[in-house]
Amino acid sequence: AQSVAQPEDQVNVAEGNPLTVKCTYSVSGNPYLFWYVQYPNRGLQFLLKYITGDNLVKGSYGFEAEFNKSQTSFHLKKPSALVSDSALYFCAVRGDSNYQLIWGAGTKLIIKP
Amino acid sequence: EAGVAQSPRYKIIEKRQSVAFWCNPISGHATLYWYQQILGQGPKLLIQFQNNGVVDDSQLPKDRFSAERLKGVDSTLKIQPAKLEDSAVYLCASSLGGGVDTQYFGPGTRLTVL
Repeated sequence: AQSVAQPEDQVNVAEGNPLTVKCTYSVSGNPYLFWYVQYPNRGLQFLLKYITGDNLVKGSYGFEAEFNKSQTSFHLKKPSALVSDSALYFCAVRGDSNYQLIWGAGTKLIIKP
Repeated sequence: EAGVAQSPRYKIIEKRQSVAFWCNPISGHATLYWYQQILGQGPKLLIQFQNNGVVDDSQLPKDRFSAERLKGVDSTLKIQPAKLEDSAVYLCASSLGGGVDTQYFGPGTRLTVL
C-alpha cells in the first residue's frame, strides 16, 4: 500500500536560516512526488514535483527538494527562510499502479523574525 | 489565467440536511478532483473525473455523497443527508490530464455540520 509520512508536526526556524521539511514515502514501482503549501483560508498551492531525472528539483519561491531513492525520502529545503514562508506544507506521492495522490498529514512551518 | 473557482466558501448546516458545492476548473483541464480535508489531516480523494467520466470514486461514501460533471466542465458535489463527521474543507482541483500532471486547487468550501 502507498503511504507518506511527514514525521514533524511543526518545524520552527529563525528567519534567514536554512529550513528542511521532511517527507518519506512507500510506493510500489516508481514514485512521483509532490510538495504543496497551504496558507490560512486558502487552497493548496503547487511548489514542485519529481517525476524522473535530476534528483534535485527546484520549485517556486526558492524552494527545492531532493529525491533520495535509497532512503525513500523527498525532503523540502530552502537556503534562507522568510517569515512569509510560514504555512502548512504537504507532501504527496503516487506510484505507477495507482491514479491517486496519497497525502501526508502536513507540517506546520513557523519562521520567527 | 483564471484559477479553479469554488462556491460557496463557507456553509453551515444542521445534521441530516443536504448541501451542494460547485466547482469550475481551469479552462481546458480534462481532469477534475474532489477532496475532503479534515482539520489536521491531508486531503483525501473523494472522486476523480476525466472529462465527464468517473476514473476513481473508491473513497466516496456513496450512500450519502454524489457528484456529477455534466458536459465535462464544471462539477457539483452533494451530501444528503449530512452527518457531523462531514465537517471539513471540500477542495476541488483540476489538471490538464491525469497521471502525474500537476493538480491546481481552488480555495475550498468550509462545511460545518451542527
